[in-house]
Amino acid sequence: KAGVTQTPRYLIKTRGQQVTLSCSPISGHRSVSWYQQTPGQGLQFLFEYFSETQRNKGNFPGRFSGRQFSNSRSEMNVSTLELGDSALYLCASSVDRGDYNEQFFGPGTRLTVL
Amino acid sequence: KNQVEQSPQSLIILEGKNCTLQCNYTVSPFSNLRWYKQDTGRGPVSLTIMTFSENTKSNGRYTATLDADTKQSSLHITASQLSDSASYICVVLLQSSASKIIFGSGTRLSIRP
Repeated sequence: KAGVTQTPRYLIKTRGQQVTLSCSPISGHRSVSWYQQTPGQGLQFLFEYFSETQRNKGNFPGRFSGRQFSNSRSEMNVSTLELGDSALYLCASSVDRGDYNEQFFGPGTRLTVL
Repeated sequence: KNQVEQSPQSLIILEGKNCTLQCNYTVSPFSNLRWYKQDTGRGPVSLTIMTFSENTKSNGRYTATLDADTKQSSLHITASQLSDSASYICVVLLQSSASKIIFGSGTRLSIRP
């Protein structure tokens, strides 16, 4: 099975622009979560989608949004970019193992805001 | 406050040596604890997942332990290899949901030849 894929892998934008990141989960996985990773804050949860519905949301401003399509692919959008949005954005798809959900992370998209 | 603290922050050891990384958590209610390995610029890869009732789990040269009473976990790496150089992140979930997830800040491990 192919793993989680994210596109693009690297992105450079300027302040005020908007960006859309894409994530394709492992085939059969219906849950997709997004995380932001920075050197200062570490990994932080953005949101989770399941069957095209946002199931959970972290503490990020409304500039961060996402959606999930019927094929479980997900996109994340950040509007009005700020310098502090520079980070590695990770997507993870998960499968229910009974006692827990097992997550599989993609390679990430490295976003640099200038 | 729900927190996950890892120590040491960074560690350098010689190839072939063993090492132990620590994770203390103040998370409740606890669902499961995970150790991830993350190579620079890559996504985390799961090493072990332990539920409340498990106190040890191995994955090759990686062995994780969990003491739910003291809320401590450790990750022991035996016979280290150069490819073990990475960040190791301890993650605790409150429920079986991605949102109730607390990340540790990680331990940066460097293996020297």
